Parts: sequence; structure tokens; C-alpha cells
Amino acid sequence: GENVEQHPSTLSVQEGDSAVIKCTYSDSASNYFPWYKQELGKGPQLIIDIRSNVGEKKDQRIAVTLNKTAKHFSLHITETQPEDSAVYFCAASTGTGGGADGLTFGKGTHLIIQP
Amino acid sequence: AAGVIQSPRHLIKEKRETATLKCYPIPRHDTVYWYQQGPGQDPQFLISFYEKMQSDKGSIPDRFSAQQFSDYHSELNMSSLELGDSALYFCASTLVSEQYFGPGTRLTVT
Repeated sequence: GENVEQHPSTLSVQEGDSAVIKCTYSDSASNYFPWYKQELGKGPQLIIDIRSNVGEKKDQRIAVTLNKTAKHFSLHITETQPEDSAVYFCAASTGTGGGADGLTFGKGTHLIIQP
Repeated sequence: AAGVIQSPRHLIKEKRETATLKCYPIPRHDTVYWYQQGPGQDPQFLISFYEKMQSDKGSIPDRFSAQQFSDYHSELNMSSLELGDSALYFCASTLVSEQYFGPGTRLTVT
């Protein structure tokens, strides 16, 4: 089955600086890679996703890059703000839909934005 | 915008009891996934349903079962509860690939 590794487990950055979280996956059949933000006591919130036919995707301060050959993808957050503090999870699936694509998550990164 | 609804939000049960968790997907979403998240851990995929049929199984114990009904809501039935079943249980729904998670049910087994 799929195995997703995520680093670092904790990331502390100064407000206004950039944060980068990296993930690798093992199954070459995976072609859908979402990122989730989870605040304490809440459900994971989808913040951005990318498919294997795209190398980069950006949404305001958030961007995701994918290197399918190396089987790794990264989340980039620029101009970090206190409200960005949360646990971030990367995930992978085949993205085929129809329920046959349960997500495999990384272990999560606790992002701390220092004021 | 409408979100995934889960009930109850909190549930306390004793060992060997049964529990039923309910999930109401986003309107027009036809696929439901269940995940279990232990303290400080990542969500683990349990089971999924598409158009009221079981689609895929992950690490769901044999003591657990689930189904999706004609109105697309889903229920996760858990029997012979163990202390280790204490966790957050999330339901996610989708129409294509993007999975939107509900707020979760916090199950505590004492």
C-alpha cells in the first residue's frame, strides 16, 4: 500500500516569513495530492490540492509543487500569519473517485508562527 | 456553503458497549469516507461508500460495520468497544476527488 512520509514534524517560523513542508510517497499509482489544515478539535480542512499532470499550483499565499519522478511534493506558505498556526497534513490517493481512493496521510507538521 | 454534518459530536461509552455514528454528506455528494484519528496521530482510512455501495476498505476492525442509505447519509456501527477505540471519527464526502471533512465525533471508551 501507499506510504507517505512528512517532514518536519514541527516547524516554527517568524510571522511574515515563509514555511515549507515536504512529503514523499511510495506508490507510483498515486496521482492526487491534497493538503489539509487541522486546528485543535476540528476536522481537517482542505486548503489546496494538486494532480500528477500539474507541477505547481498556487492560491494566494499557498502553493504546492509536485515532482512525480522523485515522488515528492511540498507545501509553501508565504507571508505567514498567526492564524496559519495549525497542524498540516499531506495526503495521497489514486484520485480515481467512486470511493476507491481513501487518503493515506502523512504524520502531520505542527506549524507554529512566532509573533 | 453547506458542510458535512456528523452526530453526535461527543460520545462516551463503556467497554463492550456499542456505538453508532452518523454522517450527513454535503448535498449532491454521492461518496462518503470514514476515518479514525487517534490522539496526536494522522487520520486512518476505515471504509468508503459510493452510490450506497461499499467501495473500499482500509483498516476497519471486524467489530465495525457501516452502510450508506438511500439519502446518502452513512452510519458507522461499532460493537464490543475497546479502550483503544477512543478517537476522533471523521466522515468526509466528495463528488469527484476533493474530500471535505466533517467536524468529527469524539468517542471516549471508559
